[in-house]
Amino acid sequence: AQTVTQSQPEMSVQEAETVTLSCTYDTSENNYYLFWYKQPPSRQMILVIRQEAYKQQNATENRFSVNFQKAAKSFSLKISDSQLGDTAMYFCAFMKQNYAGGTSYGKLTFGQGTILTVHP
Amino acid sequence: AAGVIQSPRHLIKEKRETATLKCYPIPRHDTVYWYQQGPGQDPQFLISFYEKMQSDKGSIPDRFSAQQFSDYHSELNMSSLELGDSALYFCASSRGGGGNIQYFGAGTRLSVL
Repeated sequence: AQTVTQSQPEMSVQEAETVTLSCTYDTSENNYYLFWYKQPPSRQMILVIRQEAYKQQNATENRFSVNFQKAAKSFSLKISDSQLGDTAMYFCAFMKQNYAGGTSYGKLTFGQGTILTVHP
Repeated sequence: AAGVIQSPRHLIKEKRETATLKCYPIPRHDTVYWYQQGPGQDPQFLISFYEKMQSDKGSIPDRFSAQQFSDYHSELNMSSLELGDSALYFCASSRGGGGNIQYFGAGTRLSVL
């Protein structure tokens, strides 16, 4: 079974600064995906960024980037130029890739979450 | 763009009652997932369906059942409700070959009194 660990229950950052959220995972699988989801006070789950394990290049989406260290099983999220709207719970998630009928799918295993507060 | 639709958004039930949660995936998405998020907890996987067949099963109580219909919508049926079933229930959908990205609905908040 896979486990995902987020060791920072809470983080805070000043607006416009940079913050890094940590995530480690444990798996014996070789084909998998890693995700960061954001859950604002509305409780909606919003995808922030995705990383395919077979890709060495770190994923980037505008102000969000990851540092994926496969050997160390580490997947941290860096938020640059933090904005007030970034205030939310952030979940790291692991997905083992399964195949059926020529397509792939898989359940998400989430970490415990990190509450990020951006201060003006 | 169309999103995952869940209904109802809020549901209040008494202990031992039944509840049915509905999920309408994004058009052309063939896989549906159900997750349960208790207060202050991370979402826990319950069950998933691919092309109307159950594809995976997680920590779903025997009191719960689910299915995916021919139009790809899914229903989660919950019977003999307990206080501990109070949670936010998410449905997510994905498309085979779509990069394995799961798009979440807004969730159904179930309160069992």
